[in-house]
Amino acid sequence: DAGVIQSPRHEVTEMGQEVTLRCKPISGHNSLFWYRQTMMRGLELLIYFNNNVPIDDSGMPEDRFSAKMPNASFSTLKIQPSEPRDSAVYFCASAPSTGHEQFFGPGTRLTVL
Amino acid sequence: GEDVEQSLFLSVREGDSSVINCTYTDSSSTYLYWYKQEPGAGLQLLTYIFSNMDMKQDQRLTVLLNKKDKHLSLRIADTQTGDSAIYFCAAKREYGNKLVFGAGTILRVKS
Repeated sequence: DAGVIQSPRHEVTEMGQEVTLRCKPISGHNSLFWYRQTMMRGLELLIYFNNNVPIDDSGMPEDRFSAKMPNASFSTLKIQPSEPRDSAVYFCASAPSTGHEQFFGPGTRLTVL
Repeated sequence: GEDVEQSLFLSVREGDSSVINCTYTDSSSTYLYWYKQEPGAGLQLLTYIFSNMDMKQDQRLTVLLNKKDKHLSLRIADTQTGDSAIYFCAAKREYGNKLVFGAGTILRVKS
């Protein structure tokens, strides 16, 4: 099993540009989570999906952020327009319907100049 | 809502024991977790404990839970340089998938 796959691993963009982060969860997992990690705020849950349906998006900072999960094997987190304060490491995690572990991807390090 | 707090930094010598502490506020938290994050990597689950347990041991790791005080600790015996990482405490209610993480404790192991 390849684990949770995220792309790109690193993204550098300019303020105002659209950024799309991608995640492929572990096959068979039915929950998917997007987190943001910064020095100042630590690890924050942005949104999570169960069976491709968004369950809790209360952590999404503002309307510039959106997330989709069109099928069980793919999710995107989009920031439009991006701002320097969005610079962070964004993690995707997935979990099976049974058990307790969330499996984290390697993260995407986003830098907005 | 739930708040999870940890000390920010711990430095120990190789071979000593490390104890990382965590407190949480939600008495409904049913599952409590310890995750490890190595540089440049995602989080990896180390161990977890149910709220009806006081202690769980897994090789060099011992988790102690004081439910009355909402205090959780992770003890690493015979700490090695490879244990240097950030350790996150997290809490979850019985129902739902949402984890609330602490800010993480940086463990530095000196050889």
